[in-house]
Amino acid sequence: DAKTTQPTSMDCAEGRAANLPCNHSTISGNEYVYWYRQIHSQGPQYIIHGLKNNETNEMASLIITEDRKSSTLILPHATLRDTAVYYCIVKKQWGGSYIPTFGRGTSLIVHP
Amino acid sequence: GAVVSQHPSRVICKSGTSVKIECRSLDFQATTMFWYRQFPKKSLMLMATSNEGSKATYEQGVEKDKFLINHASLTLSTLTVTSAHPEDSSFYICSAGPLAEHYNEQFFGPGTRLTVL
Repeated sequence: DAKTTQPTSMDCAEGRAANLPCNHSTISGNEYVYWYRQIHSQGPQYIIHGLKNNETNEMASLIITEDRKSSTLILPHATLRDTAVYYCIVKKQWGGSYIPTFGRGTSLIVHP
Repeated sequence: GAVVSQHPSRVICKSGTSVKIECRSLDFQATTMFWYRQFPKKSLMLMATSNEGSKATYEQGVEKDKFLINHASLTLSTLTVTSAHPEDSSFYICSAGPLAEHYNEQFFGPGTRLTVL
């Protein structure tokens, strides 16, 4: 599996955009980039995923560089409830199912 | 999105006892479920893959005789921590998926906090 590298922690002011970077320089051509987040003492929550193109949904935007070696998750208007650990992962495939393998993630703190 | 539940949400037990944790997919059928363990301030570590109607597949270093997994139906997988010890205290999380219409997603349960005294 491709390995990912994320900053340990970041902070952001409420209402501002939070930009969370992720490096995945060894990603292979058929591997997707996924983002999950985990609020304290809860299970992870899916945010978004992408292969090559930039993606946007109701939660966030995902910007993937042209060489696919890095990506950025953007929370356009961060709220206090976005405080969580954000995991950037590359999928591991097992018999047709996709198993997220989690690194350490980035602890995002959104402050008033 | 699909919902995965876990029961109990937290459990405290004495050393040497066994504890069973349930993982249910509430509105979909899951032939495959996954069990993770998370220690404080650490990331999730995959323990095993639970397959309906067959034996679970354990990750390296996870004792299959200590962490018994049963996936008896398409909506229920159980993890039993046998002869629990304080070092087994952790946050246990299950996930299920993918689904046909959400083929790229895993749906996670809310987790079970196990404390072994």
